[in-house]
Amino acid sequence: NAGVMQNPRHLVRRRGQEARLRCSPMKGHSHVYWYRQLPEEGLKFMVYLQKENIIDESGMPKERFSAEFPKEGPSILRIQQVVRGDSAAYFCASSPPGTGGTDTQYFGPGTRLTVL
Amino acid sequence: QKEVEQNSGPLSVPEGAIASLNCTYSDRGSQSFFWYRQYSGKSPELIMFIYSNGDKEDGRFTAQLNKASQYVSLLIRDSQPSDSATYLCAVNPTGGYNKLIFGAGTRLAVHP
Repeated sequence: NAGVMQNPRHLVRRRGQEARLRCSPMKGHSHVYWYRQLPEEGLKFMVYLQKENIIDESGMPKERFSAEFPKEGPSILRIQQVVRGDSAAYFCASSPPGTGGTDTQYFGPGTRLTVL
Repeated sequence: QKEVEQNSGPLSVPEGAIASLNCTYSDRGSQSFFWYRQYSGKSPELIMFIYSNGDKEDGRFTAQLNKASQYVSLLIRDSQPSDSATYLCAVNPTGGYNKLIFGAGTRLAVHP
């Protein structure tokens, strides 16, 4: 009964490189969310996806960040041309199919991104 | 005004006491409210959710919701040192699909 899986758990990139973070939701879950947690700060919503659809990306920075959840495979959060300010913990959460608006979200272990 | 506000703490309570954690939110139309626990360096872990006004109990935890006052609280009875963590209040805002708005969290320290 695997929970939400994220990899890698730790990622080190130099400024200007690309970072790819992966998330596999819990079995039976079809909704995926990405959150970012800067050091000593709370979690900030980034994007909400269902299979092959971006439902809400209101928290995504306009540039360099993108997310997808393909029909097959994990959800990917992609950060192009990383800068030091991107250093943070990135958490993925998933929830089961539901009527929307009240689905309980379960979090993965996170990916700690460090930009040198 | 922040959308979800929590006292950052630390809230220090002796072992066996009741810890009371509070949260206020600005969006009056919010419908769903969640409490997560986060240990240092770990991911948030769901403790409870509440949708209706009143109290909801689960073991040593009780969530209280007052929509008129836009206030959510979490009570932890018989606090244990293992309860020492940061407690995050999260709210699903009006028209927010499923996204959660988190408070900055309250650090709880339970001392023996």
